[in-house]
Amino acid sequence: DAGVIQSPRHEVTEMGQEVTLRCKPISGHDYLFWYRQTMMRGLELLIYFNNNVPIDDSGMPEDRFSAKMPNASFSTLKIQPSEPRDSAVYFCASSWDLKETQYFGPGTRLLVL
Amino acid sequence: SQQGEEDPQALSIQEGENATMNCSYKTSINNLQWYRQNSGRGLVHLILIRSNEREKHSGRLRVTLDTSKKSSSLLITASRAADTASYFCATDPGANSKLTFGKGITLSVRP
Repeated sequence: DAGVIQSPRHEVTEMGQEVTLRCKPISGHDYLFWYRQTMMRGLELLIYFNNNVPIDDSGMPEDRFSAKMPNASFSTLKIQPSEPRDSAVYFCASSWDLKETQYFGPGTRLLVL
Repeated sequence: SQQGEEDPQALSIQEGENATMNCSYKTSINNLQWYRQNSGRGLVHLILIRSNEREKHSGRLRVTLDTSKKSSSLLITASRAADTASYFCATDPGANSKLTFGKGITLSVRP
C-alpha cells in the first residue's frame, strides 16, 4: 500500500479564499483523522470519521471548517473563507481502530496570506 | 491541559550516547504509543505498549510503562544523527476516547 496520501503538499492562498485539502486513507482502515499542527498549539485533532461517518468534530475551530468523507477512500477538509491564522500543517491519518496505531500522511503545509 | 506531557521539551546529545525521554499522563489508559516526526514529515509510529505491559523493545528503542506513576519512558540507545527528530507520546484516556498527543520532545543528535 502507498500509505496515506494527501494533496496538495503545499498551498498558498489569500485571505478569504476557499481551501480544500484532500486525503486518501490506507485501504481497509475504518478510521480517518484530520489534525492541525502549529508551533503554538502543537498537534490538534480536528475531526475523525468511522466508516465514513463523522464521529467527533469537537476540535473543528469554527464553522469556516468543514470535513466530508463521501466514501472509504477519500476525505476532504475545507476552509471557507480562509484566514491567516489558519496557516498550519494539516495532517490526515488513518487506522483500523480508534486506539491503535495511526498512519499519518505527509501533511499539507497551508499558508494564508 | 494535555493528557500526555513529554519531558524534557528539548534534548541535545552526542552521537553514540543514549537518549531518554519521558511522558506523564493523568488518567488510566489502555495503551501508550510513541511516534517520531522528522522535520517536514508526518508522524511515524514507533512502538505501542499496553497497560498490562511494563517494557517493550524494538531495535534500539526501549519503552517502559509505570502505570502506578502514570509515566512512560522512551530510551534510544547508541543514538545516531538520523535520530534527530521530534518525539511524541500518545495516550487513550478512556473507553471511547481517541488518542491524545503530547506537545513533543525535540531531540538533536550531534555528529
